[in-house]
Amino acid sequence: AQTVTQSQPEMSVQEAETVTLSCTYDTSENNYYLFWYKQPPSRQMILVIRQEAYKQQNATENRFSVNFQKAAKSFSLKISDSQLGDTAMYFCALKAGNMLTFGGGTRLMVKP
Amino acid sequence: GAVVSQHPSWVICKSGTSVKIECRSLDFQATTMFWYRQFPKQSLMLMATSNEGSKATYEQGVEKDKFLINHASLTLSTLTVTSAHPEDSSFYICSARGLVAGVFGETQYFGPGTRLLVL
Repeated sequence: AQTVTQSQPEMSVQEAETVTLSCTYDTSENNYYLFWYKQPPSRQMILVIRQEAYKQQNATENRFSVNFQKAAKSFSLKISDSQLGDTAMYFCALKAGNMLTFGGGTRLMVKP
Repeated sequence: GAVVSQHPSWVICKSGTSVKIECRSLDFQATTMFWYRQFPKQSLMLMATSNEGSKATYEQGVEKDKFLINHASLTLSTLTVTSAHPEDSSFYICSARGLVAGVFGETQYFGPGTRLLVL
C-alpha cells in the first residue's frame, strides 16, 4: 500500500512572498513518480511539477520548485514570488505501479 | 499538448435516470483513462481504471453495475451512472495517460470535471 500525507490543511502567504507546502509519502516501490497538482476554484486539476524518483536533481518549473528528499520520503513544493492566481488547493500525488495516490490537499490562500 | 475534455460540464437529472459523461483526450492517445469522484473539500477518490479495449478495473466499494465505464478508443472513455440517486451527486473527474508527443509518459492529465446533481 502507498500513502501520501499533507500535514497542512490550510496555508496563507502574502503576495510576492515565498511559501513551502509539505508532503510525505510511503511506498515499497523503487521506481515511482511524484507530482504536485493545483486545483483552483474552477476545479480543473492542473499539473504543477513532477519528479522522477531516480533523479537526484530537484525539479523546477519557473516559480515552482521541489525539495525531494528520497531517504526521508519527503516531497515539498516551494512557490516563490507568490501571485494571487496561485490561490488554490494543492495536491501532492505519488505514482507507484499503476495507481496514482493523492494526499488530502493543502488550501493555499495568497493575500494581496 | 495533453488536453483532456469532459462533457457535460454539469448535469441535473431526476432520480432513477441514467447519465453519461464523456472524457476525451484531444491531442494524444490515451492508453489508460481513470475516473475519480471528488466530494466537497476532499481529495480525489479513484473509482476505476480503464485500458483501451479492455474492461475497467474498479476500486473496492465501487459498484461496477452502477458506474458503467467504456473505453472503446484511444481518445474516448465514458462513464454512465445508471439509475442515479441523490447520493450519486458529486463532482466526477477523468484523467488520461498515454502517448504524448510521441513519448509514453507516467503523467495523468485531467479533464475539467463534471458536476452531477441528482434530484
